[in-house]
Amino acid sequence: GAVVSQHPSWVICKSGTSVKIECRSLDFQATTMFWYRQFPKQSLMLMATSNEGSKATYEQGVEKDKFLINHASLTLSTLTVTSAHPEDSSFYICSARDMGVETQYFGPGTRLLVL
Amino acid sequence: AQSVAQPEDQVKVAEGNPLTVKCTYSVSGNPYLFWYVQYPNRGLQFLLKYITGDNLVKGSYGFEAEFNKSQTSFHLKKPSALVSDSALYFCAVRPYSGNTGKLIFGQGTTLQVKP
Repeated sequence: GAVVSQHPSWVICKSGTSVKIECRSLDFQATTMFWYRQFPKQSLMLMATSNEGSKATYEQGVEKDKFLINHASLTLSTLTVTSAHPEDSSFYICSARDMGVETQYFGPGTRLLVL
Repeated sequence: AQSVAQPEDQVKVAEGNPLTVKCTYSVSGNPYLFWYVQYPNRGLQFLLKYITGDNLVKGSYGFEAEFNKSQTSFHLKKPSALVSDSALYFCAVRPYSGNTGKLIFGQGTTLQVKP
């Protein structure tokens, strides 16, 4: 089946630093990837839609200058949390859309802890 | 507004018994419907989907779901539950209109299968 990887799986950083999370589709090409944030025991909150070769589309209330998204190839999207603060601590999950089967496949998630 | 509802926060069943996790939706047009499962500290795993065709769809791990257009429901079912099925289940809908591929998620249902 389709596989999406995320790296790192967990990261601890100091407040004020930036953290980059990578999302890769391993066996299919994805012109569209999505970034979500999930709080404990809650559903997924869509942060942005990552479009290959163009600017990301952010959901209302998500700061685009804080959550930088780059989708430079058909298999890689990155999310950079800039100037991280403790309130950015969360579980970040990406997904990649396989248009051939009209299904989103999800990465394993990245646990971010900002101290 | 378009929405997905999972009316039960938690479902408890005994191992070997059938299980049902409910999902109803409110979207315009003919949506694509999905079920995902999430184990602790992991991303979402795709279980099954309905796009068109037979209303009863079969998916991974013995799960199936029935699309009911008149009731706008897409309940997840399994004839015989396993303890290992205990997890968080999400129903998701992709409205047919637009081509972004964005999903609308339900709030999730925790399934607990007791030995």
